[in-house]
Amino acid sequence: GEDVEQSLFLSVREGDSSVINCTYTDSSSTYLYWYKQEPGAGLQLLTYIFSNMDMKQDQRLTVLLNKKDKHLSLRIADTQTGDSAIYFCAEMYGRGSTLGRLYFGRGTQLTVWP
Amino acid sequence: DVKVTQSSRYLVKRTGEKVFLECVQDMDHENMFWYRQDPGLGLRLIYFSYDVKMKEKGDIPEGYSVSREKKERFSLILESASTNQTSMYLCATRGRYNEQFFGPGTRLTVL
Repeated sequence: GEDVEQSLFLSVREGDSSVINCTYTDSSSTYLYWYKQEPGAGLQLLTYIFSNMDMKQDQRLTVLLNKKDKHLSLRIADTQTGDSAIYFCAEMYGRGSTLGRLYFGRGTQLTVWP
Repeated sequence: DVKVTQSSRYLVKRTGEKVFLECVQDMDHENMFWYRQDPGLGLRLIYFSYDVKMKEKGDIPEGYSVSREKKERFSLILESASTNQTSMYLCATRGRYNEQFFGPGTRLTVL
């Protein structure tokens, strides 16, 4: 299974929290990642979580992992206009783990309104 | 900090031309990757390399080839560019926790 699912768009007001959701495909996924892409730029690694964790917090970012439902979420607290970007979820599993291959979702476009 | 650089940010080529996209990394990473990114399709893996002179096809290798003669450099080659290869091309390397570090991208237009 190579279909990591994300909703395509999310709009929030500045100062609110944003929650970006992702459903991944393989219950044996060892690592899960969140990337941010600003217009015209490459992908920037935001954070990652190992499969033996269910939560990770890093400043305004909180990652929640529900292995039973194969669901990953990224919460951004106090969302700012500078957070407007495309956010990608990615997983690693199976033979990909040996070769370092990641499987990416199609990305969620986050728009933050002032 | 990991640094991944790509030879050009923007490139315009004509149909049928041979195109070279270069990627260089400075962290001695073994694995390197080439993706293309198109609106609505996300990232699609073209080729990757896990060692010098070693390569493996990704999901969409047709029309592309790669070269890895030195560890720090991974080249993507379009043997005969076509208009459907107009895209954003992203290079990445594999880090210690299997995360990938990306270059800034090359936006290629084939006329």
